[in-house]
Amino acid sequence: DAKTTQPTSMDCAEGRAANLPCNHSTISGNEYVYWYRQIHSQGPQYIIHGLKNNETNEMASLIITEDRKSSTLILPHATLRDTAVYYCIVRVAANSGNTPLVFGKGTRLSVIA
Amino acid sequence: DGGITQSPKYLFRKEGQNVTLSCEQNLNHDAMYWYRQDPGQGLRLIYYSQIVNDFQKGDIAEGYSVSREKKESFPLTVTSAQKNPTAFYLCASSPELPRGDNTGELFFGEGSRLTVL
Repeated sequence: DAKTTQPTSMDCAEGRAANLPCNHSTISGNEYVYWYRQIHSQGPQYIIHGLKNNETNEMASLIITEDRKSSTLILPHATLRDTAVYYCIVRVAANSGNTPLVFGKGTRLSVIA
Repeated sequence: DGGITQSPKYLFRKEGQNVTLSCEQNLNHDAMYWYRQDPGQGLRLIYYSQIVNDFQKGDIAEGYSVSREKKESFPLTVTSAQKNPTAFYLCASSPELPRGDNTGELFFGEGSRLTVL
């Protein structure tokens, strides 16, 4: 079973920041938080990952709480093309082999013009 | 360009027929994975392989079979034993065993949509 809890759906106005929450209260010390998104009928696309520090790349920012029990993915200026299902995943990495990702149902983000 | 190629993109088959979905990658990745997705659902793991000539069952392996004879290829056969084979099938690969900060990001193909009539 997925170890994360996400809202089923969210709306965001175009041009505004989209903040997608994820709860992972049972996360272990060696587990990373990954975010992927899936645009309709395509394969999922990697967005960002982090362990305990906040991370930022050209696509998004990832804010992880100090206790690591939850995180938020931030799309700073959402566009219509960001409409997708966003998956939050926790996974052991580094020196542990390629353990498969376990996907939950994710959050369906709708960006509205 | 490097990437993962799945074929065919769309496939129709009659009930009771075996079907093989192709997945090829030229990324030199060690690990490969097969997921299944049903409408409105997340991805569920069917099989995965961490190295050539070795593979492990995922959560829903019944009715499916795989082989990993070459690093580049991980075909999935949907057998007649699979009760509800109509679904969207996704193949993925990831780099060699994670070391240090390399966390083994998954790279996905575009998927194969199988419809059993």
